[in-house]
Amino acid sequence: QKEVEQDPGPLSVPEGAIVSLNCTYSNSAFQYFMWYRQYSRKGPELLMYTYSSGNKEDGRFTAQVDKSSKYISLFIRDSQPSDSATYLCASSYSSASKIIFGSGTRLSIRP
Amino acid sequence: EAGVTQFPSHSVIEKGQTVTLRCDPISGHDNLYWYRRVMGKEIKFLLHFVKESKQDESGMPNNRFLAERTGGTYSTLKVQPAELEDSGVYFCASSPVTGVSLNTEAFFGQGTRLTVV
Repeated sequence: QKEVEQDPGPLSVPEGAIVSLNCTYSNSAFQYFMWYRQYSRKGPELLMYTYSSGNKEDGRFTAQVDKSSKYISLFIRDSQPSDSATYLCASSYSSASKIIFGSGTRLSIRP
Repeated sequence: EAGVTQFPSHSVIEKGQTVTLRCDPISGHDNLYWYRRVMGKEIKFLLHFVKESKQDESGMPNNRFLAERTGGTYSTLKVQPAELEDSGVYFCASSPVTGVSLNTEAFFGQGTRLTVV
C-alpha cells in the first residue's frame, strides 16, 4: 500500500470553476502535508504546506488536512488556464525528514 | 538569485554504461536531497546530505548508485553500471540549515531525464 494515494486524473474543468484535489495517506505519524505544482519539464514547486490538521488559505488556494480521516485536500477558486499543471500532494514525518509524494493529478483548465 | 541547477537536463546512455548527474544547490543551502521519478510511479526519495555528510540514504535502490557531495557544495549522483529500470527523472532539492520546517523550504531543480536503452 502506498503511503500517500492520489487519483492521477486527468481532470479537466472550465475556467473559473472551483477545483478540488484530494489525497489520502496511511501513516498517522505524518505531521507535515504539502501541495506541489509541477509544470511540464520543470521541478515540483511548493504551493502550500500545513502542519498537523486544519485549513490554510493563500489567495485562490486553500489546503485542508483532516487527520481523523487521513484526508488531504487542495481547493482552487476561480481557476485559470495558468493553473493547468500536475499537482502533487506530499507528507513527511518531521520538518527535516524525507518527503513522501503522491503520484500527482494532472489538471487542465479550459479557457 | 539562482535556483537549484541540474546537469545535464537529458541523458541517453546504453545499458551497462556509467552516467554522472550533477546538482548545484542554492548558495548557502546545507541540506541537499536527491529524488527520482521512474515511469508511471511517484517521486521517491533517494538520499539527504547535510553539508558533505549523508544524513539519510535509505532510499538508494542498490550499490550501483553512488552519491557524493565533496566540500558540501555541489553533489553528484553516479549510476554504474546503468540498467534499463534506472530510466526516469532525477530531481535534486536544497533547503537552508535553519528554519521552522526544512523540507517545506526545499527548492527543486528542473530534473535530469535519464534514458537507459
